[in-house]
Amino acid sequence: EPEVTQTPSHQVTQMGQEVILRCVPISNHLYFYWYRQILGQKVEFLVSFYNNEISEKSEIFDDQFSVERPDGSNFTLKIRSTKLEDSAMYFCASSLGLAGSTDTQYFGPGTRLTVL
Amino acid sequence: GQQVMQIPQYQHVQEGEDFTTYCNSSTTLSNIQWYKQRPGGHPVFLIQLVKSGEVKKQKRLTFQFGEAKKNSSLHITATQTTDVGTYFCRGGGGNKLTFGTGTQLKVEL
Repeated sequence: EPEVTQTPSHQVTQMGQEVILRCVPISNHLYFYWYRQILGQKVEFLVSFYNNEISEKSEIFDDQFSVERPDGSNFTLKIRSTKLEDSAMYFCASSLGLAGSTDTQYFGPGTRLTVL
Repeated sequence: GQQVMQIPQYQHVQEGEDFTTYCNSSTTLSNIQWYKQRPGGHPVFLIQLVKSGEVKKQKRLTFQFGEAKKNSSLHITATQTTDVGTYFCRGGGGNKLTFGTGTQLKVEL
């Protein structure tokens, strides 16, 4: 069964450094998403991406965040200058169509980001 | 903004007991989805409800969408240890569905 993959599984960085989290969505999916989950808390929406542009973003997704689909398979989340409070599990997800329809979002295994 | 609350936050049950989690939204939802997240794992889609008053079943799991489309419930009959995890509802419209706060279920033998 096709699945969403994410690399690395764990990223440790110093405060102020830039990090890039990578995701390979399911190949025929058209919508891509990033979510964040701080330890012990709920999953929070960051951004959705369709047709090579951001379709929607949350208040969390400020100027230090950016997303990119550099080629036909990868979908990346960049955090320019990490802060301690960016430490969380970051999940990538993809879906065939809008989540408001009957399409399912498939989540990757996540990247645990630790900012020291 | 839209808020989706779940109760209870935690639930400990003995294996074989039933379990129910409730999801309540501050606004009317176009649809609601339920996810399960095992400890250390990622959210896994369980089901989506779209119609007012809709009820769906998956083996021991029963999902219900309220008549006003502002609340939903997940009921597990005769819990098993494999049911352990956090159950999230997720609702709204478009592609920015809001996750609920989650209910963490622990099942003891």
